Amino acid sequence: EVQLVESGGGLVQPGRSLRLSCTGSGFMFGDYAMNWVRQAPGKGLEWVGFIRSKTYGGTTEYAASVKGRFTISRDDSKSIAYLQMNSLKTEDTAVYYCSRSIFYYDFWGGHYYMDVWGKGTTVTVSS
Amino acid sequence: SSELTQDPAVSVALGQTVRITCQGDSLRSYYASWYQQKPGQAPVLVIYGKDNRPSGIPDRFSVSSSGNTASLTITGAQAEDEADYYCSSRDSSGTGIFGGGTKLTVL
Repeated sequence: EVQLVESGGGLVQPGRSLRLSCTGSGFMFGDYAMNWVRQAPGKGLEWVGFIRSKTYGGTTEYAASVKGRFTISRDDSKSIAYLQMNSLKTEDTAVYYCSRSIFYYDFWGGHYYMDVWGKGTTVTVSS
Repeated sequence: SSELTQDPAVSVALGQTVRITCQGDSLRSYYASWYQQKPGQAPVLVIYGKDNRPSGIPDRFSVSSSGNTASLTITGAQAEDEADYYCSSRDSSGTGIFGGGTKLTVL
């Protein structure tokens, strides 16, 4: 069964750091880009960032709201993607989901979609 | 960066057809993908690309697109379709984006 499991969430004070993990199973983890998406209480989904597969350089992209504070990395030997969150703010409080994504271009245009999601881990930033 | 705009709420009578729209400049370059989220659950991909459904998604879900607008259509809505629906794409800077979500109520 293809599965993603997030871990590492919890209560943290503003200004502190936290690292989330996303462990994949049932598929070739290294072949896929991995994303982080968050959802603040009562709000919609917010894309946080992604890391490309090593085949495409393993490079990263981030939302403006987290750029410079959050870092995504991956260890394909362990099938884990990480989200390192520094200088946390109260507005970072959310459920954090990891997802597997596919993107490519064809004759009709660009395609980008997230076909497998974890159940999420909750991060609460509060003093 | 680009935005994706969705109507906040839509309702449909049981068994009827409903359309949920998503507008944004990024949709001129990228197809939208659509996600269903029920309370307390993770999002689920329901449709992507020109009109592709993952395994297990009923064929009452379909999608169309024109210009800067993508539309998710549910033909013969069922009670279990009541959920929040989000469209998503990728903007010109390479970052992902989500619409604000549409809360679908099945009456």
